[in-house]
Amino acid sequence: DADVTQTPRNRITKTGKRIMLECSQTKGHDRMYWYRQDPGLGLRLIYYSFDVKDINKGEISDGYSVSRQAQAKFSLSLESAIPNQTALYFCATSDHRGYEQYFGPGTRLTVT
Amino acid sequence: AQTVTQSQPEMSVQEAETVTLSCTYDTSENNYYLFWYKQPPSRQMILVIRQEAYKQQNATENRFSVNFQKAAKSFSLKISDSQLGDTAMYFCAFMRDDKIIFGKGTRLHILP
Repeated sequence: DADVTQTPRNRITKTGKRIMLECSQTKGHDRMYWYRQDPGLGLRLIYYSFDVKDINKGEISDGYSVSRQAQAKFSLSLESAIPNQTALYFCATSDHRGYEQYFGPGTRLTVT
Repeated sequence: AQTVTQSQPEMSVQEAETVTLSCTYDTSENNYYLFWYKQPPSRQMILVIRQEAYKQQNATENRFSVNFQKAAKSFSLKISDSQLGDTAMYFCAFMRDDKIIFGKGTRLHILP
């Protein structure tokens, strides 16, 4: 079984809809991250969490929110989706040393 | 602010040849980590190699090696005896304070 899972893997939604992307991990890591990948821009950090009570904004947090429900679960929400949020979204985890991140398989989100 | 620059958007080489992907970064920090990640068509992010800035010795992982020039802030990836399975996007990344900054990527095609 994969160590970091993301659901859904693909999603098409309409402008204005609320959508949640979920991430779960079995690695026992404290740290979790959400990234967004756009063609030609690489990956950019949206939010990160170093433990259940610690949530931090990344480079591009506007229009997104997160919830760390448990050590193993970290969800990303788009309260009112817009077309320029169409992208590939990755969840990642790392241990307390933080020097290696393990990525989930990605969620491809399309907002029409 | 830290930045990571990959100056080669796309490259093609023949199978079995050696190829070098370039990466430069900008930071005022002295202790940090550098990474190369591979993203094949499956879109999974795979760690290829990691370099600690305090180590002068260049990291090597089988056919993959780096040329780390700290003073020049350069971190290139050399792939020897390239294989068709090396076809992928390659991202250079810099980590400090537990956050990773990615370059925009180099798309590498290995030609049969």
